[in-house]
Amino acid sequence: EVQLVQSGAEVKKPGATAKISCKISGYTFIDYYLHWVQQAPGKGLQWMGHVDPENGQTMKAEKFQDRVTITADTATDTAYMELSSLRSEDTAVYFCATSFLLGIGAFWGQGTLVTVSS
Amino acid sequence: QSVLTQPSSSSTTPGQRVTISCSGGTSNIGSNNVYWYQQFPGSAPKLLIYRDDQRPSGVPDRFSGSKSGTSASLVISGLRSEDEADYYCAAWDDSLNVVAFGGGTKVTVL
Repeated sequence: EVQLVQSGAEVKKPGATAKISCKISGYTFIDYYLHWVQQAPGKGLQWMGHVDPENGQTMKAEKFQDRVTITADTATDTAYMELSSLRSEDTAVYFCATSFLLGIGAFWGQGTLVTVSS
Repeated sequence: QSVLTQPSSSSTTPGQRVTISCSGGTSNIGSNNVYWYQQFPGSAPKLLIYRDDQRPSGVPDRFSGSKSGTSASLVISGLRSEDEADYYCAAWDDSLNVVAFGGGTKVTVL
């Protein structure tokens, strides 16, 4: 059974950094891209970027280019998304999703709420 | 402003057919696979359709996808109350190098 389990909710002050983890199981981590998607309250889905766990190469949306770091730890089958210089508009649920077998968003993590508040 | 355009809402009665459109361009829908997701409030999205018209195991056959040129559609036949949710389309965009999502369509079962 494919599972993506994300870390818990975070509350951060403006200017801080949030780091979310996504541990996968049920398939070979290095074989498929791992994506990160942002969903602000009451809004739609926005792709942030993805990592190729096999070689660590990433691709990121322009909006997040300077503030997002996406990594993959093949020793623990865990992907990470770090968002720095947080501001109130970064308050959102962040999802990880794998491309396992079926393509983009084949399976999703449960989501992690990041709240940015002073 | 989303790269892919969907109607913001659609409503109809149980048993009816709902069609959700997703309009894009040559760099996304016109040249790449389209995906559709269903999302209930407070939950993660779930893949409904992949590679334009394929249903994952477990997705009821009342959900179907199609694509023509730079547009795609999701059809829900025989709408049920449990289909009330948000639906999103997505495709890779070769020009922007992003996964482009539609803005989402809220389906209401009257």
